[in-house]
Amino acid sequence: QLVLTQSPSASASLGASVKLTCTLSSGHSSYAIAWHQQQPEKGPRYLMKLNSDGSHSKGDGIPDRFSGSSSGAERYLTISSLQSEDEADYYCQTWGTDIRVFGGGTKLTVL
Amino acid sequence: EVQLVESGGGLVQPGGSLRLSCAASGFSFSSYWMSWVRQAPGKGLEWVANIKQDGNEKYYADSVKGRFTISRDNAKNSLYLQMNSLRAEDTAIYYCARELTPYPGPLDYWGQGTLVTVSS
Repeated sequence: QLVLTQSPSASASLGASVKLTCTLSSGHSSYAIAWHQQQPEKGPRYLMKLNSDGSHSKGDGIPDRFSGSSSGAERYLTISSLQSEDEADYYCQTWGTDIRVFGGGTKLTVL
Repeated sequence: EVQLVESGGGLVQPGGSLRLSCAASGFSFSSYWMSWVRQAPGKGLEWVANIKQDGNEKYYADSVKGRFTISRDNAKNSLYLQMNSLRAEDTAIYYCARELTPYPGPLDYWGQGTLVTVSS
């Protein structure tokens, strides 16, 4: 079964960097994922598609502060130079021919 | 500029029906798969259904299969979700989203959502 696992929460200081993790279920380590950001009271926003080799392509207007990387079944989102507006929920998403799957989301607090 | 605007949400009694719409603009609507995704209050995102460019291929989450029907009208640049036999657990904000080509791929644009409340 295709499942994505995320830690429920993370925190980091203003101006620092943070690395969020999304883990693919056993047998699915070759899958690409996407990262989405959801600021409070807003719809989600697509950040990037992240492949198993770590290559990634970002959505329109996504700042260079957002980057992605991969290792085995783990997919990472790194946000550098944290700003207050980065405080949001971050969801990873993957897909098969007939299904779309979301991780449970990570709530990022900027201290 | 890509825009997706949902409408049709509201309060409905358990067992009732509702039809959601999503108006698309700023891109060639007929060239993309489209999805519906929902978010229950205080919860995460849950994919509901998607539909191929010509409407001839559709997929549903198990939680809505047999109760919800996704459709589209390419002439009107519109996506729809017909929801029947609604339950309290269907209460959520419903988002429409575009699927990045080539298929299958991530959802790359989202609307702002429309709230559906199922309650007596």
